[in-house]
Amino acid sequence: GQNIDQPTEMTATEGAIVQINCTYQTSGFNGLFWYQQHAGEAPTFLSYNVLDGLEEKGRFSSFLSRSKGYSYLLLKELQMKDSASYLCAPDQTGANNLFFGTGTRLTVIP
Amino acid sequence: DVKVTQSSRYLVKRTGEKVFLECVQDMDHENMFWYRQDPGLGLRLIYFSYDVKMKEKGDIPEGYSVSREKKERFSLILESASTNQTSMYLCASTQGGDYGYTFGSGTRLTVV
Repeated sequence: GQNIDQPTEMTATEGAIVQINCTYQTSGFNGLFWYQQHAGEAPTFLSYNVLDGLEEKGRFSSFLSRSKGYSYLLLKELQMKDSASYLCAPDQTGANNLFFGTGTRLTVIP
Repeated sequence: DVKVTQSSRYLVKRTGEKVFLECVQDMDHENMFWYRQDPGLGLRLIYFSYDVKMKEKGDIPEGYSVSREKKERFSLILESASTNQTSMYLCASTQGGDYGYTFGSGTRLTVV
């Protein structure tokens, strides 16, 4: 089985940096996905981490520690359009499907 | 770009009706999935399929069935719609590995 823990809601100011944490417990682990979902829309792929460490993609970076069962998504230079839910999804070994956390709803304020 | 197309964006159905939600993907993916999403509960897997005519139950299959007659099409069927099936339904497909899932735009179903 899987257990995923993310904060339910976060608020941050435009132009700031925000870190969204995700802890997970899973039997077997390949990697971890992060998805972004704007209200009323489908989730879209942001990142996939397999190895420990930080991977940077423009304003968004994702970090993974396999031994700690921990990941975070780092958003820099926040923009209003970054207001969305961010879903953490561990990729379980041998599983044919992803299990998604309930997501963190981020609100960016002026 | 991979496209996953869901036939309807909004649907309103009556209690007891049989409802079909259609999903088509255009990238020859083997794996397809149906999720529902409800506030505070996140995405919950209903059914998935990893090949034509193959199906597997997810976490909440009760009240639903699926059909995968062709590789590109995965249908979700509500045999007798009930009000507790009012939800956002999301279809997804993947070729596996680190490519992640591509989601359709979702169908918001209301059962009255």
